[in-house]
Amino acid sequence: GENVEQHPSTLSVQEGDSAVIKCTYSDSASNYFPWYKQELGKGPQLIIDIRSNVGEKKDQRIAVTLNKTAKHFSLHITETQPEDSAVYFCAASRNDYKLSFGAGTTVTVRA
Amino acid sequence: NAGVTQTPKFRVLKTGQSMTLLCAQDMNHEYMYWYRQDPGMGLRLIHYSVGEGTTAKGEVPDGYNVSRLKKQNFLLGLESAAPSQTSVYFCASSYGVGSSYEQYFGPGTRLTVT
Repeated sequence: GENVEQHPSTLSVQEGDSAVIKCTYSDSASNYFPWYKQELGKGPQLIIDIRSNVGEKKDQRIAVTLNKTAKHFSLHITETQPEDSAVYFCAASRNDYKLSFGAGTTVTVRA
Repeated sequence: NAGVTQTPKFRVLKTGQSMTLLCAQDMNHEYMYWYRQDPGMGLRLIHYSVGEGTTAKGEVPDGYNVSRLKKQNFLLGLESAAPSQTSVYFCASSYGVGSSYEQYFGPGTRLTVT
C-alpha cells in the first residue's frame, strides 16, 4: 500500500515568516495530494489539494508544489499568522477517495 | 446544515465490552469513511462506504465492523473492545467520484478502553 512520510513533526515559526512542510510518497500511481489542517479539538479540514498533472497550486498565502519524479510534495505558508497554528496533514491517493495520511506536523506561530 | 456529526463525543469502555459509534451527514454525500487517529501516526482508514448498502475494508479493519443501511448514516462497531483500540475516531464523508474529492470530517469521538 501507499506509505506517506511527513517532515518535520513540529515546526515553530515567527509570525510573518514562512513555513514549509514536506511529504514523500511511495506509490508511483498516486495522483491526488490533499493537505488538511486540524485545529485543536476539531476534525481535519481541507485547505488545498493538487493533482499529478499540475506542478504547483496557490491559494492566497498557501501553495503546494509537486515533484512526481522524486515523489514528493510540499506545503508552503507565507506571512504566517497566529491562526495558522494547527496540525497539518498531507495525504496521497491513487483513486481520489482512499487517502493515506502522513503523521502530521504541529505548526506553532510565535507572536 | 449540521455537516458531519458523531455520537458520542467521549466514551470509556472496559476490555471486552462492545459499542457502536454513529456518524450522520446531511450533505447527501455518497462516500463515507471511518478513521482512527493516534499520536504520531496520522489518520488511518478503518472502513469506508461508496454508497448505501456497501462497505469495504481500509488500512486497519481488524476488530471493527461497519454498516451503511441508510445513505446518511455510517455506523462503526467494536464487538469486543481492546486497549489497543483506545484512540480518537473520526468519521468523514465526500461526494462520489467525478465530483469534489474533499472529505468533510466530524468532530471526533474520544474512546478509552481500560
